Amino acid sequence: DAGITQSPRYKITETGRQVTLMCHQTWSHSYMFWYRQDLGHGLRLIYYSAAADITDKGEVPDGYVVSRSKTENFPLTLESATRSQTSVYFCASSESLPLGPPTDTQYFGPGTRLTVL
Amino acid sequence: EDQVTQSPEALRLQEGESSSLNCSYTVSGLRGLFWYRQDPGKGPEFLFTLYSAGEEKEKERLKATLTKKESFLHITAPKPEDSATYLCAVLIKAAGNKLTFGGGTRVLVKP
Repeated sequence: DAGITQSPRYKITETGRQVTLMCHQTWSHSYMFWYRQDLGHGLRLIYYSAAADITDKGEVPDGYVVSRSKTENFPLTLESATRSQTSVYFCASSESLPLGPPTDTQYFGPGTRLTVL
Repeated sequence: EDQVTQSPEALRLQEGESSSLNCSYTVSGLRGLFWYRQDPGKGPEFLFTLYSAGEEKEKERLKATLTKKESFLHITAPKPEDSATYLCAVLIKAAGNKLTFGGGTRVLVKP
């Protein structure tokens, strides 16, 4: 049971380049989330998705784009990377009951460490 | 504004020395409070969910409790393998399913 995986685990890029971080889950969870973790700020929500083709902004969405064409995948794209986007990025997912809210517990992937030079 | 504050920021313990971590919250309409453990270079690992004041949950040497304003994570007779960062997060009724995290407490247990 692979659970939730992220790729790449480490990425170095340059300012202005486009970067896509991948997230894949095998549980068929409806909800998926992207967080960034920085010293002094803790974990902050970037975007989340309630189901395929349904996404919404979190606390720090600027500079990021998400899509969710399939339930199991939730890629995060930095359209033009900036140094302030150097961070560790975590994907998470949670299940939901049919026609109901999520069951609350979010399960996290291993993270992607992104460095923007 | 909804806030989650964890204290202390760091805690150094001798093996066997019990202690408590605090997570205080100021939110309107708590739906649930979560504790996670995070090891260096890894994602947060779910430990507990607490939903109402007075609720307690236990797992091995860890015990989480909840009041109307704060939660405690008690570590009883810790071992070196309990060294990690412990994160607290709240789910607020008005915020759907979005978690708000505290800054974490780094725990180091020395043998």
